[in-house]
Amino acid sequence: SQTIHQWPATLVQPVGSPLSLECTVEGTSNPNLYWYRQAAGRGLQLLFYSVGIGQISSEVPQNLSASRPQDRQFILSSKKLLLSDSGFYLCAWEGSGRETQYFGPGTRLLVL
Amino acid sequence: AQTVTQSQPEMSVQEAETVTLSCTYDTSESDYYLFWYKQPPSRQMILVIRQEAYKQQNATENRFSVNFQKAAKSFSLKISDSQLGDAAMYFCAYRSAVYNYKLTFGKGTLLTVNP
Repeated sequence: SQTIHQWPATLVQPVGSPLSLECTVEGTSNPNLYWYRQAAGRGLQLLFYSVGIGQISSEVPQNLSASRPQDRQFILSSKKLLLSDSGFYLCAWEGSGRETQYFGPGTRLLVL
Repeated sequence: AQTVTQSQPEMSVQEAETVTLSCTYDTSESDYYLFWYKQPPSRQMILVIRQEAYKQQNATENRFSVNFQKAAKSFSLKISDSQLGDAAMYFCAYRSAVYNYKLTFGKGTLLTVNP
């Protein structure tokens, strides 16, 4: 069966520091991968998605970036964090049917 | 652009009773998918149920069922025999079958289950 992992689970970072969040999927190949952000008390906003290695599409222009160095690995990065980057970050994968997205456990990011 | 509206910010239900959560959406597309996700206090998004727009039959997963009204663009979730573990935030979501990949979410309904 397929599983999705995210780490770290929780992160507290100072403003201006770099960021790297990692997402990996097991038990499937060539998945679509997604990064979403959920601000407090709000719905999810799509940040990036990837249909293959090295292929990244951005939905929202901001100081975040994403990379997909391996088929089942998706990384969210920033060179300098802003206070507004605080939130809950969810990674999701979608299999060969390209119909349903399944989410990881998420990362809580607090920028101080 | 597609929009998803959940008009009930909060709902409550007694344990073992039935509750219905509302969702409406706006789209000009004819082929799409609709979802209900559950987000418990752990905040992981868990798929509850999925509906394909081309299917007239309403989807059912154990105690969870939907009432899909395509013409009215309505997609409600019915939870039967509510359990304490059903307490969570519930999100309705839309996904195009053709044009793009993203899920468009409503703002959620917080469900409380009273013992």
